[in-house]
This record gives sequence, C-alpha cells and structure tokens, in this order.
Amino acid sequence: GAVVSQHPSWVICKSGTSVKIECRSLDFQATTMFWYRQFPKQSLMLMATSNEGSKATYEQGVEKDKFLINHASLTLSTLTVTSAHPEDSSFYICSAITGASSNQPQHFGDGTRLSIL
Amino acid sequence: GQQVMQIPQYQHVQEGEDFTTYCNSSTTLSNIQWYKQRPGGHPVFLIQLVKSGEVKKQKRLTFQFGEAKKNSSLHITATQTTDVGTYFCAGRNTNAGKSTFGDGTTLTVKP
Repeated sequence: GAVVSQHPSWVICKSGTSVKIECRSLDFQATTMFWYRQFPKQSLMLMATSNEGSKATYEQGVEKDKFLINHASLTLSTLTVTSAHPEDSSFYICSAITGASSNQPQHFGDGTRLSIL
Repeated sequence: GQQVMQIPQYQHVQEGEDFTTYCNSSTTLSNIQWYKQRPGGHPVFLIQLVKSGEVKKQKRLTFQFGEAKKNSSLHITATQTTDVGTYFCAGRNTNAGKSTFGDGTTLTVKP
C-alpha cells in the first residue's frame, strides 16, 4: 500500500519551456504532499508543502512564480517549472503522507529527472 | 532555521563489518524518521522514533533516539551488499509542519 506515482520520470527540453510534473497517490488520499529537489549525491531540499484545496507553502528562497504548485484533489499534486533554464536541471521528487498527523511517514514517488538544454 | 547534520558523508566497509550513521539536530525534535535511498531510486521509509531514549530494531538495523531528542543513530550489524545506499535521517521540529533531511550517509559494501 501507500504507492506514489510520479510522471514523467525524465524530461529533456529546451530553455524557456514550461514543464509540468505530476504526483499521484494511487491507493490512498494524500492531504499533504511535499516537493523536493535533489542534486547529485546531495540531500533532499524541501521546496514546498502542498495541501489539498489550499495554496502551497514555499520554503525560503523558492520562487513561487517559478515553481507553480497545484493540489486540486486528494490524489494529485502538480509542480510546473515555468520558463525553465539550465540551472533548473535537477531531480525533482514528491512525497505524500496519508493523514494530517505529523507522525506519518512520507511515501515518495520515483522522481523526475529534468534536463534543460 | 532548523539544521540537521549527518555524519559521516560516506562509509566504505567490508561485507560483514558493522556500520553506524549519526544524525544531530540544532533543535529539539518531535520525531525523527530514517529513510534509505538506493542508487537511482527514491527514499523508502524505514522507521520513526518518537520517544526520548527510544531504541528500535529491525533485524540487523538498530535505531536510537537520544535522551534530549536532538540526535539519533542507525547501526547496521554485519553489513551485506544489499545494504548499499544512502541513509537519510529526517527530523521534525515540534513547531514546524515539515521535516528537515540530513545530508545522508552513503554506504558502500565491498564483497
């Protein structure tokens, strides 16, 4: 149980393109989803916390207009990287928790490897 | 803000040797979670510790939460090649609704 699907798994696109990444909880309802960015051999950097039906909470230094997050349903959150540039190339990974409790483990998607040319 | 430090960054061991990674937080934690990420994969939840001084075991893995709830450790007894990967701790601050991940410890095991 507690499977999180992330799509696409990798994408290569030209600079200036906007890219949408989907994160779905397949067998549970996720009131909260998290979006992370991970550089090679580095830790997970939290970008934003996404709550169903409300605006995402962004971490300090993360541009809201650059990384648009939508969490319209209990099973889907999307991250759109707008006007992507080479410095946005990274591994983006989402996670979801099954309930509102802060003690819930995070279930991660497989990640999206984004390469901007 | 909250900082979670993890050491060592890398650990190379011979199969059968023990391994330990340490996690230290700059603030008191409400809980700490441990995750394992295999090369090319995504983090997978291992365990959560909540109580001061708590010790939990999963087969060859032993997890400890410090008395002050600011540090934690993961110890693997008699490592196997299947233990390779990066182990992350994630500490949740009492007043924050999110967890902060440590930098991870990457374990390689030589057969």
